[in-house]
Amino acid sequence: GAVVSQHPSWVICKSGTSVKIECRSLDFQATTMFWYRQFPKKSLMLMATSNEGSKATYEQGVEKDKFLINHASLTLSTLTVTSAHPEDSSFYICSVYRGEGIDTQYFGPGTRLTVL
Amino acid sequence: KQEVTQIPAALSVPEGENLVLNCSFTDSAIYNLQWFRQDPGKGLTSLLLIQSSQREQTSGRLNASLDKSSGRSTLYIAASQPGDSATYLCAVRHSNYQLIWGAGTKLIIKP
Repeated sequence: GAVVSQHPSWVICKSGTSVKIECRSLDFQATTMFWYRQFPKKSLMLMATSNEGSKATYEQGVEKDKFLINHASLTLSTLTVTSAHPEDSSFYICSVYRGEGIDTQYFGPGTRLTVL
Repeated sequence: KQEVTQIPAALSVPEGENLVLNCSFTDSAIYNLQWFRQDPGKGLTSLLLIQSSQREQTSGRLNASLDKSSGRSTLYIAASQPGDSATYLCAVRHSNYQLIWGAGTKLIIKP
C-alpha cells in the first residue's frame, strides 16, 4: 500500500490566495521529508528539506516566506504556498526519507496546483 | 557540481520491442542511483535502486546497469508493452540524502 499520501491531489485557486498541501508518512515516523517541484518536461527540483521540530532548510532560490513548510509531527509535513500567483502553478511532490539502514525515499502521489 | 542527463528526451517504439534508456552523471562519487517511473499527473514509483558497489539490478522485464567510472546507467526494458508508457527518471544520490535528478525520458509504446 501507499507509504506517503498527499492532500489535496489537485487544487485550483485564485491569484493572491494561499494554498496548503499536506504530506503524510503512513507507515513510519519520518524525521526528514522533502518537498519537490516539477515543471513540465523539467527535472524535479528540490525546494526544501523538512526536519521534524526544526525550521526547514530551503534550497537556493526558493523563497521561504512564500513557501512555508511546517513539520510539526513525525508523520505530517505541510507546504503552504502564500499569495499564490500563476507562475506558482506546478506539480508539487513530497517524499519521506527512511534511514535506519533502509535508506530509501518514498514519494507521494503529488499535488497539481493551478493558480488562475 | 553533479549533473544528470537523460537521453533521449522522448522515445516512441512499437509494442514488443526491447529498448534502452540512458542516464549519465558527471560526478562518479555517488552513493546509489535509482530509476523511477512517473505516470502523467502522478507521483513517482521507484523501479530499481543500484548501490554504488553494484553493477546491475533486475526486476521482471527491467534491468538497470551502472558503470560508475564512466558515469553511466542504462535501463533496459524487454518486450515493451503499452502499459510501460510513462516518463522514466533517473536520480543519483551523494553521501547526504539529496537526490540529483535527470529531466526524464518520455516513453510511448504504440500498440
